[in-house]
Amino acid sequence: NAGVTQTPKFQVLKTGQSMTLQCAQDMNHEYMSWYRQDPGMGLRLIHYSVGAGITDQGEVPNGYNVSRSTTEDFPLRLLSAAPSQTSVYFCASSYGSGELGYTFGSGTRLTVV
Amino acid sequence: AQKVTQAQTEISVVEKEDVTLDCVYETRDTTYYLFWYKQPPSGELVFLIRRNSFDEQNEISGRYSWNFQKSTSSFNFTITASQVVDSAVYFCALSEVGGSYIPTFGRGTSLIVHP
Repeated sequence: NAGVTQTPKFQVLKTGQSMTLQCAQDMNHEYMSWYRQDPGMGLRLIHYSVGAGITDQGEVPNGYNVSRSTTEDFPLRLLSAAPSQTSVYFCASSYGSGELGYTFGSGTRLTVV
Repeated sequence: AQKVTQAQTEISVVEKEDVTLDCVYETRDTTYYLFWYKQPPSGELVFLIRRNSFDEQNEISGRYSWNFQKSTSSFNFTITASQVVDSAVYFCALSEVGGSYIPTFGRGTSLIVHP
């Protein structure tokens, strides 16, 4: 099925642990991005990529790393989880400038205790 | 820097009422795209519409319509004869052609349609 696949769907971490949220798309989209969604804050951009090997920071990048070694995959790494990173994380992709809209994954609900 | 403001945090209506969700944006670019997304209670984000800054024609899709006015930097969304299934959080977003193309989202408006 074409689309954006995020894993895992749910995760509980202890403070200080690290983990990687996976995002894969099979639509050959150039653009990929990670957002976090917190109550009342909408979707805030963490990191984005405009192609393999190219990444850049968004509005709230601290505490997160990304890499884009292939067109298909765009993992998000939490280096040392903190309770402030408790959130729902969405990965999105688009072809070019998003003329067909951005396709979102189903989200990862992360809780840091 | 681009910014999207959705001043209405929550709107509550009774079924069959018309409702308008407001979206005001700021950008220095002359070429940009505006989007609306729907997030139903199940949590996924559903793309509704994209407009480019050169096309100010209003658009209608069934019970949904969008009013784009560059003069007031607004891109409002109207649902006619609302239904319970319209209950969701609606997000407006903006992406700049001169920037990264990556959308900036507003904080969303929660629409509750009562039967």
